[in-house]
Amino acid sequence: SQQGEEDPQALSIQEGENATMNCSYKTSINNLQWYRQNSGRGLVHLILIRSNEREKHSGRLRVTLDTSKKSSSLLITASRAADTASYFCATETNFGNEKLTFGTGTRLTIIP
Amino acid sequence: DAMVIQNPRYQVTQFGKPVTLSCSQTLNHNVMYWYQQKSSQAPKLLFHYYDKDFNNEADTPDNFQSRRPNTSFCFLDIRSPGLGDAAMYLCATSLIAGETQYFGPGTRLLVL
Repeated sequence: SQQGEEDPQALSIQEGENATMNCSYKTSINNLQWYRQNSGRGLVHLILIRSNEREKHSGRLRVTLDTSKKSSSLLITASRAADTASYFCATETNFGNEKLTFGTGTRLTIIP
Repeated sequence: DAMVIQNPRYQVTQFGKPVTLSCSQTLNHNVMYWYQQKSSQAPKLLFHYYDKDFNNEADTPDNFQSRRPNTSFCFLDIRSPGLGDAAMYLCATSLIAGETQYFGPGTRLLVL
């Protein structure tokens, strides 16, 4: 399947530090998206990056995309306790099948 | 505020007793999705509607059915819940298929 794999599976850092998580996928994509999920809640969309883009920023978030390596990274700068959550990447393949396939997720814990 | 609403937030049912989960949206989005998410796993797409067109995932059990009577509402019916169906069920919408998805808070299903 087109499922992405995220690395690391879990990450704990001190508040104020930067957090980086990575996503790899298998086949060509139209876009790649990052979502956040707080424990027991729904997912919240963070950033969408298209296959012809290499980098996007949104506030403290920076996403990169390397289509040659079929990988993406999410950087959260100056982390806060409220950033504690699971982060998922999701890909839409370029087959126009109208759906996203989610990666396995990274569990991020920010230590106050 | 425009949003995706899921009811109930928690549902307890008995083994084999039919259950229906509901989702409504005020976003007027064309596409609605149902995902199943088990603990510490990625959301798994069950099916989605593009307007009235129903798209079932190949590996979605026949035990799961869905209805979309109008743009705003979508229902997930589990005809004979088994213990393995205990999970979080997430509803999502998108204006354009394959683009940003907006999730509801989820319904946590417990099967006794």
